[in-house]
Amino acid sequence: VQLVESGGGVVQPGGSLRLSCTASGFTFNSFGMHWVRQAPGKGLESVSFISYDGRNEKYVDSVKGRFTISRDNYKNTMYLQMNSLKPEDTALYYCAKDADAGAGWDNWGRGTLVTVSS
Amino acid sequence: DIQVTQSPSFLSASVGDRVTITCRASQGVSSFFAWYQQKPDIAPKLLISGASILQSGVPSRFSGSGSGTEFTLTITSLQPEDFATYYCQQLHTYPFTFGPGTKVDIK
Repeated sequence: VQLVESGGGVVQPGGSLRLSCTASGFTFNSFGMHWVRQAPGKGLESVSFISYDGRNEKYVDSVKGRFTISRDNYKNTMYLQMNSLKPEDTALYYCAKDADAGAGWDNWGRGTLVTVSS
Repeated sequence: DIQVTQSPSFLSASVGDRVTITCRASQGVSSFFAWYQQKPDIAPKLLISGASILQSGVPSRFSGSGSGTEFTLTITSLQPEDFATYYCQQLHTYPFTFGPGTKVDIK
């Protein structure tokens, strides 16, 4: 199993970024997927979830209305469109795979760094 | 959101020590609970799911227990490779909140 994030970078407050998570080594369209972030030197925060078929999405309150999660099961890729970025969104963004529903996340990528700064 | 507290936040221990970390959820989460280990500059690794199910490849010195609102991670004989930060997580209600972490350091 491999998860590879991309798309991070430095962006000004109010700007946008689109993160991608490309998966391999498992049946991508059978598993829910997550974005989780970790601010520098801080703990872990769930950001967003998408079900295996893309029909169910969830967001932490702090990103609702600004971030949109999606997936393309033909391309084995998940996305996070991040708009109206704020300095407090600065973090390492990981994608993670459900082990099973409600059973933890058994595979993680290495993360992609998002820095929101003027 | 369900709040998850974790104690201690820092733990200094020696190789061979028995270590216990406790997490509490602000409301019942049944057994929808997991533990992770994170080493510097590396993504977290799932150790235990379902509160007590050891993941494949994780040494048997790790164990988890609890249900409802109180959960425990125990390492029976700490090894050099176990010095890391440990996070707990509830998976009952989204957002799947994490505890703030316990850093296990070498005494």
